[in-house]
Amino acid sequence: GENVEQHPSTLSVQEGDSAVIKCTYSDSASNYFPWYKQELGKRPQLIIDIRSNVGEKKDQRIAVTLNKTAKHFSLHITETQPEDSAVYFCAASKGTNFGNEKLTFGTGTRLTIIP
Amino acid sequence: EADIYQTPRYLVIGTGKKITLECSQTMGHDKMYWYQQDPGMELHLIHYSYGVNSTEKGDLSSESTVSRIRTEHFPLTLESARPSHTSQYLCASSQLPGGNSPLHFGNGTRLTVT
Repeated sequence: GENVEQHPSTLSVQEGDSAVIKCTYSDSASNYFPWYKQELGKRPQLIIDIRSNVGEKKDQRIAVTLNKTAKHFSLHITETQPEDSAVYFCAASKGTNFGNEKLTFGTGTRLTIIP
Repeated sequence: EADIYQTPRYLVIGTGKKITLECSQTMGHDKMYWYQQDPGMELHLIHYSYGVNSTEKGDLSSESTVSRIRTEHFPLTLESARPSHTSQYLCASSQLPGGNSPLHFGNGTRLTVT
């Protein structure tokens, strides 16, 4: 089955600086890569996702890059703000025509923004 | 508003009790999931369902059971709660079919077994 590794497990960044979280996956057939943000005491929420037919996607201060050859993808947060402090999870899945894929999650990165 | 709802939000219960965690969604999704998560830690899939009368065990072995009699409802039951079941339980749903689709999570039930 799919295996997703996520690094680092904790990350502290000065406010205004950039943060990068990296994930690798094992199944070359995986083609969908979402990122979830979970604030303290709240539910995980999708913040951005990318499909294997594109190499990069950006949404304001958040971007995700995908390297299919190396089987890794990364989350980039620029101009970090205190509200970016949260646990971030990457995930991967292998879509089929029947939609019966399951997401495999990484182990999470606790991001702390230092004011 | 379309969402996924979990009750109760918090539950403290004694060892040996039977409990049912409720999950309902008004998003019209066919696929539903249960995850177990210690706060801020890894998400472990324990059950999932592709539709009515379909249930499957997830990647993490669990003593809980689930049922899917109605599309919008996916309750999780523990016949005899133990302290090792203390955790947060998150319900989620996604669209089917359509290939890759994101998960929408409920707010979770934080279970404490004393």
